[in-house]
Amino acid sequence: DSGVTQTPKHLITATGQRVTLRCSPRSGDLSVYWYQQSLDQGLQFLIQYYNGEERAKGNILERFSAQQFPDLHSELNLSSLELGDSALYFCASSVQDSHYNEQFFGPGTRLTVL
Amino acid sequence: GDSVTQMEGPVTLSEEAFLTINCTYTATGYPSLFWYVQYPGEGLQLLLKATKADDKGSNKGFEATYRKETTSFHLEKGSVQVSDSAVYFCALSDQAGANNLFFGTGTRLTVIP
Repeated sequence: DSGVTQTPKHLITATGQRVTLRCSPRSGDLSVYWYQQSLDQGLQFLIQYYNGEERAKGNILERFSAQQFPDLHSELNLSSLELGDSALYFCASSVQDSHYNEQFFGPGTRLTVL
Repeated sequence: GDSVTQMEGPVTLSEEAFLTINCTYTATGYPSLFWYVQYPGEGLQLLLKATKADDKGSNKGFEATYRKETTSFHLEKGSVQVSDSAVYFCALSDQAGANNLFFGTGTRLTVIP
């Protein structure tokens, strides 16, 4: 158990809908990262927050957004969903914003868009 | 830009065989290098890491050495077990950029008794 929790575990929805994925980092970790894992794109970085502020963006679509709250939990919002958004979404956390620090991954949320 | 090239799988080995999974990288700065493992139905777990050239990361019998001259971080284990069956990801985090991880494509390892 990494100490990172993600809810829900599975999500099935229809095209055009909007969903919210939630992540609670390990106790004491200030940095939260979101990654998408799909068969065709592999594991890709989406966005990072550090202590409530957006720190870096990767290959995140404009239809996707995220935030980190004062209690450090984070939410990833996916809107106008398309079939191609079906993937496993991972949240990871680390103590600080440093390339030395390993990231601890949650179990993921499997999103299926029908 | 930053990238990781990882040996394509799948790899199937008999128990107690020697394992090597090749990983090479391209980075603009001085990256930290990681191996993560993903067991079926689970998230990624850190297996080992190295943060500077010539560092050797090791854990659970797995080893990898950070080779700056060959930009490589190959994963090795002397004697694999059935319980090592999983997908292995090589990754880097670059000092010069954001601290997110860049992952290789993953190598699926199956160990048969």
